[in-house]
Amino acid sequence: TQLLEQSPQFLSIQEGENLTVYCNSSSVFSSLQWYRQEPGEGPVLLVTVVTGGEVKKLKRLTFQFGDARKDSSLHITAAQPGDTGLYLCAGGVSSGGSNYKLTFGKGTLLTVNP
Amino acid sequence: DVKVTQSSRYLVKRTGEKVFLECVQDMDHENMFWYRQDPGLGLRLIYFSYDVKMKEKGDIPEGYSVSREKKERFSLILESASTNQTSMYLCATTPLDYGYTFGSGTRLTVV
Repeated sequence: TQLLEQSPQFLSIQEGENLTVYCNSSSVFSSLQWYRQEPGEGPVLLVTVVTGGEVKKLKRLTFQFGDARKDSSLHITAAQPGDTGLYLCAGGVSSGGSNYKLTFGKGTLLTVNP
Repeated sequence: DVKVTQSSRYLVKRTGEKVFLECVQDMDHENMFWYRQDPGLGLRLIYFSYDVKMKEKGDIPEGYSVSREKKERFSLILESASTNQTSMYLCATTPLDYGYTFGSGTRLTVV
């Protein structure tokens, strides 16, 4: 069974601060995804990274896939209250040409206080 | 955008009842999934389906069954609801691609 460990589990910061969330595994993944989930809603896909060392930026969010494709990080610059939510990482392993089955981390609950 | 619709946002059922949770997607995606989400345990895969009438057990299938008679609809069935099945249930879909699209979830309470 592949496991994804996310840290920290909880994070409470002030508006304007920077933060980094980590997602680690002992397994190699062919792709790594990040989702954000707001209370009472389903997770929403933010980004997919597939190449070791890959860096993607989405406005103030920067996502990185580790060189060995076992870990990933999400960095938020100048956090805003609208960034509040549960951040989930999910790893996919290619099986028969499809990455359709993902393993999810337990999430990081971020609260950004005004 | 792909839309995944779950039939109920909130549901309260009694112990022993048979419960149906419905999920409909408006794209032609092959793969559909049912997860449950609990505090401290994250998302756990119950069942998934990669084609009509095809299903595979996930990590926690006990007490659940599924039905996929049409490509766009994937139903989760609790044969005899129990209090430990109180949870948030999430349906997701994907083509042969990387990204999942989730529904808004059904918060089920079994009393």
